[in-house]
Amino acid sequence: GAVVSQHPSWVICKSGTSVKIECRSLDFQATTMFWYRQFPKQSLMLMATSNEGSKATYEQGVEKDKFLINHASLTLSTLTVTSAHPEDSSFYICSARGVDFYEQYFGPGTRLTVT
Amino acid sequence: SQKIEQNSEALNIQEGKTATLTCNYTNYSPAYLQWYRQDPGRGPVFLLLIRENEKEKRKERLKVTFDTTLKQSLFHITASQPADSATYLCALTGNTGKLIFGQGTTLQVKP
Repeated sequence: GAVVSQHPSWVICKSGTSVKIECRSLDFQATTMFWYRQFPKQSLMLMATSNEGSKATYEQGVEKDKFLINHASLTLSTLTVTSAHPEDSSFYICSARGVDFYEQYFGPGTRLTVT
Repeated sequence: SQKIEQNSEALNIQEGKTATLTCNYTNYSPAYLQWYRQDPGRGPVFLLLIRENEKEKRKERLKVTFDTTLKQSLFHITASQPADSATYLCALTGNTGKLIFGQGTTLQVKP
C-alpha cells in the first residue's frame, strides 16, 4: 500500500515551453501532497505544499507563477513548469501525506531537462 | 538558521559489518526524525520514523537512535549487505509536517 506514481519519469523540453508533471496516490487518498526539487548531489528542497481544493503554499524563493500547482482531486496533483529555462533542469519529486500526519510517501521522481 | 548535517563523505564498509550513519541538527526542535533510502535516479523510500520522546527504534536490521540533548540521530544497519548500498537521508519534521532533509550520506557495502 501507499504507492505514489509520477508521470512522466523523464522529459526533455525546449526553452520557453511549459511542462506538466503528474503525481498520483494510487491506493490511498491524499489531502496533502508536496513537491520537491533535487539538484545533483544535493538534498531535496521543498518547493510547495499542495492541499486538495485549495491554493498551494509555496516556500520562500519559489516563484508561484512559474511553478503552477493544481490539486484538483484527492489522488492527483500536478506541477506545471511554465516558460522553462535550462536552470529549471532538475529532478522533481512529489510526495503524499499518509494517514499519519508525519508520514510522507514519495513518488519515483521526474527528470526534467530543458534545452 | 536551521541546519541538518550528514557526513557528505561516502561510507565504505565490508559486507557483514555494521554501518553507522550520523545526522546532526542545529536551531531546531523536531517533533519527529525520519530516515529514508534513496537510490540513484529514484525518489526516497521511507525507512523509519522516531518521535522526540523515543530514544531508540528498530526494524529488522535497522536501528535508529534519537538524542534531543545532543541534537543527533544515529542510523545503524547491522549485518550489512551489498544491496544496502544507497544514499541515506535524514529528515526532520516540525509541527507543520514539512520535511527538512539533510544532504544524505552514501553507503557502499563491499562484498
